[in-house]
Amino acid sequence: ETGVTQTPRHLVMGMTNKKSLKCEQHLGHNAMYWYKQSAKKPLELMFVYNFKEQTENNSVPSRFSPECPNSSHLFLHLHTLQPEDSALYLCASSQDGEQGRPRGTEAFFGQGTRLTVV
Amino acid sequence: AQKVTQAQTEISVVEKEDVTLDCVYETRDTTYYLFWYKQPPSGELVFLIRRNSFDEQNEISGRYSWNFQKSTSSFNFTITASQVVDSAVYFCALYNYGQNFVFGPGTRLSVLP
Repeated sequence: ETGVTQTPRHLVMGMTNKKSLKCEQHLGHNAMYWYKQSAKKPLELMFVYNFKEQTENNSVPSRFSPECPNSSHLFLHLHTLQPEDSALYLCASSQDGEQGRPRGTEAFFGQGTRLTVV
Repeated sequence: AQKVTQAQTEISVVEKEDVTLDCVYETRDTTYYLFWYKQPPSGELVFLIRRNSFDEQNEISGRYSWNFQKSTSSFNFTITASQVVDSAVYFCALYNYGQNFVFGPGTRLSVLP
């Protein structure tokens, strides 16, 4: 069982659909992340949850809505997306220190969800 | 501001050649961490190495070696005797307090048989 699992691996959705991406980590980490990887662009940090609290939202459009019900699960709810939202969405987790102080541990990534918006 | 630059967009080498991937970073913090990740075609980013800002010792792990130089803000990665399985996109990343991870744009390495 891999440390960070993302489902589904591939998703095709219409612009009017609502779907959710799921991420689950089995590493006991307390921080989880959503990244977007578009073709020919750097990895873009979207959301950070630390101890289940959202600590960062990098100006992500409201059509992306994260949810972190517990420290092991992270969701990304999608609605009324645009074709330019097509990308690889990567989830990651790491073990941060208390009160958000970093331990500098590495982030472990899932295999990503390849999203295509048609 | 934190920034990571990987000037080489794509590199192609023939199997068994040595190859060095460059990484230059910018940060005002004195405590930070640097990483290298490998992204094979399957998509998952695979952790390769972490280095903290107080440890400038170079590291070797099998065919992989890393050269950390604070004076030039560089953290270069060398693969010795490259193999086809090394073909992937390699990302350098910076992490420091309150900033989370900042990734470079990646270098696509193709190792030809």
